[in-house]
Amino acid sequence: EAQVTQNPRYLITVTGKKLTVTCSQNMNHEYMSWYRQDPGLGLRQIYYSMNVEVTDKGDVPEGYKVSRKEKRNFPLILESPSPNQTSLYFCASSFQQGAGYGYTFGSGTRLTVV
Amino acid sequence: AQSVTQPDIHITVSEGASLELRCNYSYGATPYLFWYVQSPGQGLQLLLKYFSGDTLVQGIKGFEAEFKRSQSSFNLRKPSVHWSDAAEYFCAVDSGGGADGLTFGKGTHLIIQP
Repeated sequence: EAQVTQNPRYLITVTGKKLTVTCSQNMNHEYMSWYRQDPGLGLRQIYYSMNVEVTDKGDVPEGYKVSRKEKRNFPLILESPSPNQTSLYFCASSFQQGAGYGYTFGSGTRLTVV
Repeated sequence: AQSVTQPDIHITVSEGASLELRCNYSYGATPYLFWYVQSPGQGLQLLLKYFSGDTLVQGIKGFEAEFKRSQSSFNLRKPSVHWSDAAEYFCAVDSGGGADGLTFGKGTHLIIQP
């Protein structure tokens, strides 16, 4: 089944403790992206990757890192999480960005930073 | 930069009544347009998309949307809503290249009255 898999689904952590949210897709998509969803703000893009070893900032990149060493994986790293990063996070992938292929989303990761 | 406006934060509709959710976009050329639905605690599911051609597009679950270039709108409609349609609905635009990627509106929360 074609899908985007995020782990974990739920995570509670403490301020300053590094964490990684994994994202993997099995569709051989070139483009992958991370979004955060906050009430009243919709979804905002954090980082995106056009292909392996090619990443760039989205609208709200502060406090996040990403890497794209393999085509299928696009982990989101919070080096020193803070309470304002409490949010619902979604990973998405597309065959090719901007060509109208549409996007497949993961099920989301609900992160709470205390 | 591209942007999406969903003017209605909440909409309440009686079961069996018709529905229209508004979406306006800002982009210089013809964009790729999407509607996603998010049920409580779930990820994002694609309802329909517009790339080119016929301006009236059909989607899943009985939804349709009409692209109106003159009004920069892509409103979502359903002739008769069901209680299971209660969810958050997001309109999104993909510029077709560059750093913007997929830009979402802030969402419309649909409440279905019995």
